[in-house]
Amino acid sequence: DGGITQSPKYLFRKEGQNVTLSCEQNLNHDAMYWYRQDPGQGLRLIYYSQIVNDFQKGDIAEGYSVSREKKESFPLTVTSAQKNPTAFYLCASSIAALSEQFFGPGTRLTVL
Amino acid sequence: DQQVKQNSPSLSVQEGRISILNCDYTNSMFDYFLWYKKYPAEGPTFLISISSIKDKNEDGRFTVFLNKSAKHLSLHIVPSQPGDSAVYFCAAGNQAGTALIFGKGTTLSVSS
Repeated sequence: DGGITQSPKYLFRKEGQNVTLSCEQNLNHDAMYWYRQDPGQGLRLIYYSQIVNDFQKGDIAEGYSVSREKKESFPLTVTSAQKNPTAFYLCASSIAALSEQFFGPGTRLTVL
Repeated sequence: DQQVKQNSPSLSVQEGRISILNCDYTNSMFDYFLWYKKYPAEGPTFLISISSIKDKNEDGRFTVFLNKSAKHLSLHIVPSQPGDSAVYFCAAGNQAGTALIFGKGTTLSVSS
């Protein structure tokens, strides 16, 4: 079964703690993305990666970090520097930079 | 500055009627447009796309129209069904770019 998995579905953390969200795909896609969804804000791009060992900042990268050591994996770390981390986080992948993106089920992060 | 705008936050239609969702864009370099559908607490799923060399693309009940001079695209759903009730996102990109830009979404409610 090909697809994108994100874990966990719900995540709770205390303020000031870093937390890493997992994103794995077995679609053999080169490009991967992280978005954040807030009510009334749509999808805002945090980071994207077109190829292994390379990634670029999106519109709202401050307070986040990523790595792309393997084609299949694109973990996102929400650092304590992110002022409003509570949100729904979506990971996506695509064959190439400008093609249909396939999304994972999302992770809802709540910072207490 | 929003490059992709969905000016109607919500739309209500009756089952069997036509649903028309609208999207405007400001960047004339965009040449590829997509529509995604999203249910609560799930990742978006790809619906339909259109490139700038076309003005219409049809897939079953879904048709996307592109008016390049007006920088406007629309998604028509005919006939609308209760299962179509979801948030619909418009997205745009260009061949030279590296990531899609998403609108804020329109919530469609189809009543039976």
